[in-house]
Amino acid sequence: DTAVSQTPKYLVTQMGNDKSIKCEQNLGHDTMYWYKQDSKKFLKIMFSYNNKELIINETVPNRFSPKSPDKAHLNLHINSLELGDSAVYFCASSPPRAHGELFFGEGSRLTVL
Amino acid sequence: KQEVTQIPAALSVPEGENLVLNCSFTDSAIYNLQWFRQDPGKGLTSLLLIQSSQREQTSGRLNASLDKSSGRSTLYIAASQPGDSATYLCAVRLAGGSEKLVFGKGTKLTVNP
Repeated sequence: DTAVSQTPKYLVTQMGNDKSIKCEQNLGHDTMYWYKQDSKKFLKIMFSYNNKELIINETVPNRFSPKSPDKAHLNLHINSLELGDSAVYFCASSPPRAHGELFFGEGSRLTVL
Repeated sequence: KQEVTQIPAALSVPEGENLVLNCSFTDSAIYNLQWFRQDPGKGLTSLLLIQSSQREQTSGRLNASLDKSSGRSTLYIAASQPGDSATYLCAVRLAGGSEKLVFGKGTKLTVNP
């Protein structure tokens, strides 16, 4: 069973379109994240949710809107896609802070043409 | 602002060699430090998590150490194998209960048969 799963794994779309990436974790964790890995492989946090509540928003353009319908899901919606949005987007989850180990999904590679 | 640096950026070794990967961070006020490996086109797999109060953690052929006061961690890989080839990333969780991880840019390891 996949612990943190993301869909789709690959996404190719035109500039200006709106797209969503979904993430689900079956680990029972309270905290979920979205990270972006750019072409230079640098991994940077975008958002963090704890039990459906937004706790980190790292200066991400408001074209990016995360949504957490329940603590097992954290989806990422992107409006008006731009070329610079091309990257690999990783979802992750972690148990309560006392432990803090992060578990990552396999990533969603977004290509904006 | 916390910055994480990994040296070297790339490393190529013959099979069977013992090796050390380095990670340094600028602010010693961390909650924990985590080492990951990333295979091409894949997500991150957690290898070892060291809490700020710990000095080292071991898992199989891997040993990670932490010297919080000097802002350094090392990942020691014993008897390297071609299957160890991957990019290794370290990440620090900021102190104060932050959910934010700050990543280094990784060391790309190639183990030649």
